[in-house]
Amino acid sequence: NAGVTQTPKFQVLKTGQSMTLQCAQDMNHNSMYWYRQDPGMGLRLIYYSASEGTTDKGEVPNGYNVSRLNKREFSLRLESAAPSQTSVYFCASNHRVNEKLFFGSGTQLSVL
Amino acid sequence: AQTVTQSQPEMSVQEAETVTLSCTYDTSENNYYLFWYKQPPSRQMILVIRQEAYKQQNATENRFSVNFQKAAKSFSLKISDSQLGDTAMYFCAFMKYTTDSWGKLQFGAGTQVVVTP
Repeated sequence: NAGVTQTPKFQVLKTGQSMTLQCAQDMNHNSMYWYRQDPGMGLRLIYYSASEGTTDKGEVPNGYNVSRLNKREFSLRLESAAPSQTSVYFCASNHRVNEKLFFGSGTQLSVL
Repeated sequence: AQTVTQSQPEMSVQEAETVTLSCTYDTSENNYYLFWYKQPPSRQMILVIRQEAYKQQNATENRFSVNFQKAAKSFSLKISDSQLGDTAMYFCAFMKYTTDSWGKLQFGAGTQVVVTP
């Protein structure tokens, strides 16, 4: 029972470098999300994909791009990393609107 | 826009005792969901309990129960018979009930609960 799998678990980048965070779910869920968690601020929505083939901005989309590769996979890309993007990133999914979210275990990203 | 406020940054409780975490929210919506998520040191986000706003009855899940006061826009979590494994950050979250809300949870800043022997 893998659920939502995120890779990598930890990453250190230098300012200006790019990277892609991968997320895959094996629950046949329609919707997938990317959140970031900063100390004292809870989780904030970056982007979401209501269904395969669609993506939309969340609360804090600047500096990020996403791709819903297929129903299972939803990636988050940082084109030019900045120290302000140092955070823990969570991927989540659910089957239908108003159903509970299942979260991955997070990626700790540090940008120096 | 909705806001979720958790006014207690940290709370300490002894094993077997009861602790109550507060959460208030601001919304003009009539239909919505409220959640409590637990985040232990492992970082995993675990759903503790969920409440539908149209239900008057307070949700319960084993040792966890909520006090939902819709008019006051308050949603507190009570942990009874606290156990060491309850040590975690607890987040209150709000979701509008509409066809396009798509899991857009609005989270509070969290309350760190420490259970001591």
